Amino acid sequence: NAGVTQTPKFQVLKTGQSMTLQCAQDMNHEYMSWYRQDPGMGLRLIHYSVGAGITDQGEVPNGYNVSRSTTEDFPLRLLSAAPSQTSVYFCASSYHLQGEKLFFGSGTQLSVL
Amino acid sequence: SQQGEEDPQALSIQEGENATMNCSYKTSINNLQWYRQNSGRGLVHLILIRSNEREKHSGRLRVTLDTSKKSSSLLITASRAADTASYFCATDAELGGSRLTFGEGTQLTVNP
Repeated sequence: NAGVTQTPKFQVLKTGQSMTLQCAQDMNHEYMSWYRQDPGMGLRLIHYSVGAGITDQGEVPNGYNVSRSTTEDFPLRLLSAAPSQTSVYFCASSYHLQGEKLFFGSGTQLSVL
Repeated sequence: SQQGEEDPQALSIQEGENATMNCSYKTSINNLQWYRQNSGRGLVHLILIRSNEREKHSGRLRVTLDTSKKSSSLLITASRAADTASYFCATDAELGGSRLTFGEGTQLTVNP
């Protein structure tokens, strides 16, 4: 099993550009989520999904869109990048909704100029 | 807002010493988890303790949970240089739906 795979590892965008961060897991996990990590602020939940076709907002959803058309994939879309979205982004998954440990991807470091 | 808060923010010890990190949280929880993050990498799950448990062990790790004080501690015994990492607690709130909420982490440095 590859686990949770994120691409790209690094990305530089200009303000206003859009892009999609990819996340795929091969563990047949129902639950997938996106976090951003900023210095001094820990990890904050952006969006999450409890199964194909079901998504919901986390703590900091503004400026991001997600969709879950398959169990394996959970892409994160930045609609119009802003410097405030410079961060490290992590995708994470688990078998079920609650009480389960999360498996994390290796992260995407995004810089918005 | 962060549910869990780790203390201290940074900890520096010598190899062989024990390291203790604390986590406090605000609302009732189903479980509390500890994760480790090496520099530039993703988080790795260490241990999960449920709200009806008071203590749990895994190798050199010992986790305690005091729900009356809304706090948890992670003890790493006989630390090694390879334990150098950031450690995060995460809480699964009773009323939090499917969200795990992370604290800001403790940066542990183990000097050889």
